[in-house]
Amino acid sequence: TQLLEQSPQFLSIQEGENLTVYCNSSSVFSSLQWYRQEPGEGPVLLVTVVTGGEVKKLKRLTFQFGDARKDSSLHITAAQPGDTGLYLCAGYNTNAGKSTFGDGTTLTVKP
Amino acid sequence: NAGVTQTPKFQVLKTGQSMTLQCAQDMNHNSMYWYRQDPGMGLRLIYYSASEGTTDKGEVPNGYNVSRLNKREFSLRLESAAPSQTSVYFCASSEWGNMNTEAFFGQGTRLTVV
Repeated sequence: TQLLEQSPQFLSIQEGENLTVYCNSSSVFSSLQWYRQEPGEGPVLLVTVVTGGEVKKLKRLTFQFGDARKDSSLHITAAQPGDTGLYLCAGYNTNAGKSTFGDGTTLTVKP
Repeated sequence: NAGVTQTPKFQVLKTGQSMTLQCAQDMNHNSMYWYRQDPGMGLRLIYYSASEGTTDKGEVPNGYNVSRLNKREFSLRLESAAPSQTSVYFCASSEWGNMNTEAFFGQGTRLTVV
C-alpha cells in the first residue's frame, strides 16, 4: 500500500497570512492531484501535477511537485476565509492503476 | 449540469440490514469509483470500475459488492450492515482510470449503522 502523509493535519490562521501544506510519500507517483472539500460536499479538483519539479499557480495557490515525484506542497498567499476547507492530495501510480489519497489538512481561515 | 448524483443523501440502518447506494453520472465517463471517508482518514477506495463491464477491488472491499449496471450507473451494496460501515460514502467518475484526468465527486451519502 502506498501511503501519502499530509501535514499539518489541522491549521488555523488569520486572514491575510500565508501557509504551506505538505504531502509526502516514500513512493514515486506518476501524477499527483490536489482537491479541496467543503463540509457536506464532495472533493473538487484544484490541480494535477505530472512532471518532477513542476510548479503550477492558481491565483493565490501555488502547487509544487517534488523533483523525485514523491512529494508535493501547496502554498496559499494571503489566505481568505473562503479558502477554509479540507485539502486532500491524491497520488496515482501507473503500475498499480489506482490512486491513493492522503488523510487531508483541515484549514480554517479566521476573518 | 447534474454531474455525479448519489442517492440517498442520508440513511440509518440497523445492524444486519442490507441496502444499495445508487450513483449515476451524466458526463459519459468511462471510469467510476466508490470511496468511504471517515474522520481523519481521508478517502479510501472501496471498489472501482475502469470501464463498463469491469469492476475491481480497492483498498477496503470487505463487506461490499458493486454493480456497473451500464456506463452511467455504478451501485454499491451492503449485504449485512455493520457499525464499522458507518461512514460517508462518495461516488466519483472520470473520463478514464488514469488519474491525470479529473475525478468528479457526488455530494456523498451519510450512512449510520446502529
